[in-house]
Amino acid sequence: DTEVTQTPKHLVMGMTNKKSLKCEQHMGHRAMYWYKQKAKKPPELMFVYSYEKLSINESVPSRFSPECPNSSLLNLHLHALQPEDSALYLCASSQVGLPYTDTQYFGPGTRLTVL
Amino acid sequence: EDKVVQSPLSLVVHEGDTVTLNCSYEVTNFRSLLWYKQEKKAPTFLFMLTSSGIEKKSGRLSSILDKKELFSILNITATQTGDSAIYLCAVSYSGGSNYKLTFGKGTLLTVNP
Repeated sequence: DTEVTQTPKHLVMGMTNKKSLKCEQHMGHRAMYWYKQKAKKPPELMFVYSYEKLSINESVPSRFSPECPNSSLLNLHLHALQPEDSALYLCASSQVGLPYTDTQYFGPGTRLTVL
Repeated sequence: EDKVVQSPLSLVVHEGDTVTLNCSYEVTNFRSLLWYKQEKKAPTFLFMLTSSGIEKKSGRLSSILDKKELFSILNITATQTGDSAIYLCAVSYSGGSNYKLTFGKGTLLTVNP
């Protein structure tokens, strides 16, 4: 199994809603990542979990809250988002944890629209 | 200030042409450079380069890194319409315990039949 899965594929939410994005990998990878990608822009790193611990938080607003329940799962909890948060949210994983770098394998992404 | 610069930003070629995409970077404590292809959805991995001068090949694609001049190139020979995509270059680097991964803006490649 060389796949990173993400659910849901699409999500539409209001600014007062609370929702969660889910990412799963069963490759035994020890690092997992959340990225945000706006249209026609490259991905921007948001968070990195290495060995199930939050290692990197790239100054992301607190309305985004990551969680890593176990080594295979990564969640992104969303609350009180703004319309400008609408984007493609990508999850990725890599075999080795930080501080080492390794190939990152991306999931298909969740297309989020905030109304 | 952009730490990873890709050129050209867009390129239109005909099937069968050979293309060279460029990625230059300016970071401290370089760790690796990665190339990705992005079509409609998530990026897919192409190459990871850590050592200078060692060419990596996969079919019609190849890539090489020059750590002295701080750049990498991605070559695609005998291009096909299926090669049309955005090609992203990303550089990972660190400062102490901080890990950074920065993407370039990408090169939009269009291959016409």
